[in-house]
Amino acid sequence: DAKTTQPPSMDCAEGRAANLPCNHSTISGNEYVYWYRQIHSQGPQYIIHGLKNNETNEMASLIITEDRKSSTLILPHATLRDTAVYYCIVRVAGDSNYQLIWGAGTKLIIKP
Amino acid sequence: DSGVTQTPKHLITATGQRVTLRCSPRSGDLSVYWYQQSLDQGLQFLIQYYNGEERAKGNILERFSAQQFPDLHSELNLSSLELGDSALYFCASSAAPGLAVKTNEQFFGPGTRLTVL
Repeated sequence: DAKTTQPPSMDCAEGRAANLPCNHSTISGNEYVYWYRQIHSQGPQYIIHGLKNNETNEMASLIITEDRKSSTLILPHATLRDTAVYYCIVRVAGDSNYQLIWGAGTKLIIKP
Repeated sequence: DSGVTQTPKHLITATGQRVTLRCSPRSGDLSVYWYQQSLDQGLQFLIQYYNGEERAKGNILERFSAQQFPDLHSELNLSSLELGDSALYFCASSAAPGLAVKTNEQFFGPGTRLTVL
């Protein structure tokens, strides 16, 4: 699985869009980009995933560059409850081994 | 609520002891994963079971072992405990291959906090 690089921490004002970048320059053609978040020692929570098209769900949007070497997770209207560590993970989907390889993530702090 | 349950929530024990952590996956999920998270660290994958059989192994110590039972619940056994084994232990489950494969989403339990004194 490809390695990802994320900034260790970011701040964002409440109500503004939070944009979390992730670099995955060695991503393979069949690897998806997944985002999870972990709120203070709770179990991680799936947010969104994508292959090459931009994706949106009720939680967030995922923008993947055309060369797929980087992506951005967007929380459109951040709230205090979005304060968490956000993990960007790349892996092959459809593989029988679904293990996720976790990096250090980005600690996002939403400020009032 | 993810639908994954873990017991106990907290466990305090002494070095050299043995403990068992239990996980019940979401209804219908056949895969169970175990992860370890030490203080302020990322999650480390330990082991995966699918329908009772070991499917993948990560950085799991020889002192640790796991199994998945016919009812699909799983147990992680930690023996000869050391201070460095103090951590959060998470269990996750996912749908069987062929079902929701596009997502490969893993659902995590609330974790068991193990403290070794």
